[in-house]
Parts: sequence; C-alpha cells; structure tokens
Amino acid sequence: RKEVEQDPGPFNVPEGATVAFNCTYSNSASQSFFWYRQDCRKEPKLLMSVYSSGNEDGRFTAQLNRASQYISLLIRDSKLSDSATYLCVVISGGYNKLIFGAGTRLAVHP
Amino acid sequence: ETGVTQSPTHLIKTRGQQVTLRCSSQSGHNTVSWYQQALGQGPQFIFQYYREEENGRGNFPPRFSGLQFPNYSSELNVNALELDDSALYLCASSGTGQGLYGYTFGSGTRLTVV
Repeated sequence: RKEVEQDPGPFNVPEGATVAFNCTYSNSASQSFFWYRQDCRKEPKLLMSVYSSGNEDGRFTAQLNRASQYISLLIRDSKLSDSATYLCVVISGGYNKLIFGAGTRLAVHP
Repeated sequence: ETGVTQSPTHLIKTRGQQVTLRCSSQSGHNTVSWYQQALGQGPQFIFQYYREEENGRGNFPPRFSGLQFPNYSSELNVNALELDDSALYLCASSGTGQGLYGYTFGSGTRLTVV
C-alpha cells in the first residue's frame, strides 16, 4: 500500500463548478500536511498547508481528519487557470521528508 | 520567481553513463532534498542533506549519491545510468525547522536516458 493515496483523475469540470479531491495517508505519526499544485512540466508549488481545524484560502478549503487519516481539498467556482495536477503531501519521519501522492489532474473547461 | 535554481534544465545521457545535477538553495536555507518524478507519478524522495551531511535517504540504490557544500548548494550524482532513471529531478530547500511548513522547489532537471 502506498503511503499517500489520492483519487484517480482526471477530473474534467466546467468553469464555475465545485470540485473536491480526497487523499488518505497510512502513517498515523505523520506531522504536517499540504496540498501542492503542479502545472504541466513545471515544479510543484505549495498551494496550502492543511490544519486539523480546517483552513480556507479564497476559493480553496482544506480539511484534515487525523482519526480517519484523510485529507481533502475543495475548490469552489473553478477557473480555467485552476487546471493543473494537485498533489497531496505528507511529512513523516524525523527529517521531515515530503511524501507525495501520485497527484490528481484537474481540467477546467469553458 | 523561485529562489531555488537547478542546472541543467534538460539532459540526454546514454545508458551506463554518469550524470551530475546541480542545485542552488534559496538564500538562508540549510536543508536540501532531492526528488525523482517519473512521468505520471508524484515525486519520490531520494535523500536529504543538512549542513553538508546526509540525514535521510529514500529507497534508491547507492549509485544515487549526493553532496552539499558550505554555501548549501548541492549535487546529485547518478552512476551507471539505466533507462528507468529517465525522470524529472527536483531539488527542494528549506530552513531549519521550516520543512514542517513546506519546501521551495527548483524548476527541475529533465533527464532522458537512451
């Protein structure tokens, strides 16, 4: 079993739609949680950290459920520019290595 | 504009050759990690350096090795290249303790082994 598993993609949605991505992680001792965004043939960029209390950044809302070892990302009012691959990332271990999911591709169409 | 720079951006090598990839960390960052991202996959952790010492390693064979220099720049060396080594190689840096708040990635080196 992979340490971080994500919804298989791609998600094809119209502009203005709400889309949700899910992610599960296997190591209950994981310390920090993130969503990264990766555009085609570019490097991953930090989208947002994920906190136990849930957090929001504009149209993006992230949730963490430590008991279920589950992370989610909700994107409201999708824009064409949201088209990218979204990577669920967990930090585990004493030296803070990033463990990535395989990513979920989002395509927003007009 | 990323503070982490990698070179070269693209590289083509022949199976069996050796390659060195380079990374300049963001100013003030003393921790650097290297990741391999195969097509359609998420990045996989290769190893991490902190103050010139390797302090963590992923599931990669010894032919993947690295160095970190006093100015915190870093190298990834791969010997005896195999076709499966074709991937995007990413360098990421963080300051002490800041890894818990995310890393800054360079734009990567795309290695093709033929």
